[in-house]
Amino acid sequence: AQTVTQSQPEMSVQEAETVTLSCTYDTSENNYYLFWYKQPPSRQMILVIRQEAYKQQNATENRFSVNFQKAAKSFSLKISDSQLGDTAMYFCAFMKGGGANNLFFGTGTRLTVIP
Amino acid sequence: DVKVTQSSRYLVKRTGEKVFLECVQDMDHENMFWYRQDPGLGLRLIYFSYDVKMKEKGDIPEGYSVSREKKERFSLILESASTNQTSMYLCASSRQGVKTQYFGPGTRLLVL
Repeated sequence: AQTVTQSQPEMSVQEAETVTLSCTYDTSENNYYLFWYKQPPSRQMILVIRQEAYKQQNATENRFSVNFQKAAKSFSLKISDSQLGDTAMYFCAFMKGGGANNLFFGTGTRLTVIP
Repeated sequence: DVKVTQSSRYLVKRTGEKVFLECVQDMDHENMFWYRQDPGLGLRLIYFSYDVKMKEKGDIPEGYSVSREKKERFSLILESASTNQTSMYLCASSRQGVKTQYFGPGTRLLVL
């Protein structure tokens, strides 16, 4: 079974600073996908970024980037120039490759951006 | 933009009641999912469907059933609600072969 671990239940960061959220996962698969989802206080879950395991290059989306360490099974999210709108729950998620559609989620990290 | 809507944002029901949670997506997605979200547990998959009238159990299907009569609509049914089903329920959809799922706003269900 796949497990996803987020060891930081809560974090805070000053506005305009950089913060890194950690995520580790356990799988015997070689082909898989990793995701970071954001859930603001309004509750709509939004995709932040995704990474295909076969890609060595780390994914980036504007101020969001990941550090994907396949051997260590680590997938951290870096948020640069934090903004008040980044305040949210962040979930790391795993999906097997091929025809699989199931997402396995971590327990989430609540991030607060302090003005 | 993909739009996934859920019939209620908040719902209060009594123990033993039959409860229907509705989810509709407007992007012709083949796959639809129901999750429940609990503090400290993240999201857990209850059921998913990859086509009309098709369904697969997720990690925690006990006490739930689903219905998918039309491609755009996926219903979660609590046959006899219990207090331990008090939770946030999230619906999601995705296109077959595309790994990204799109989520609805969630329904917070309280069972008294």
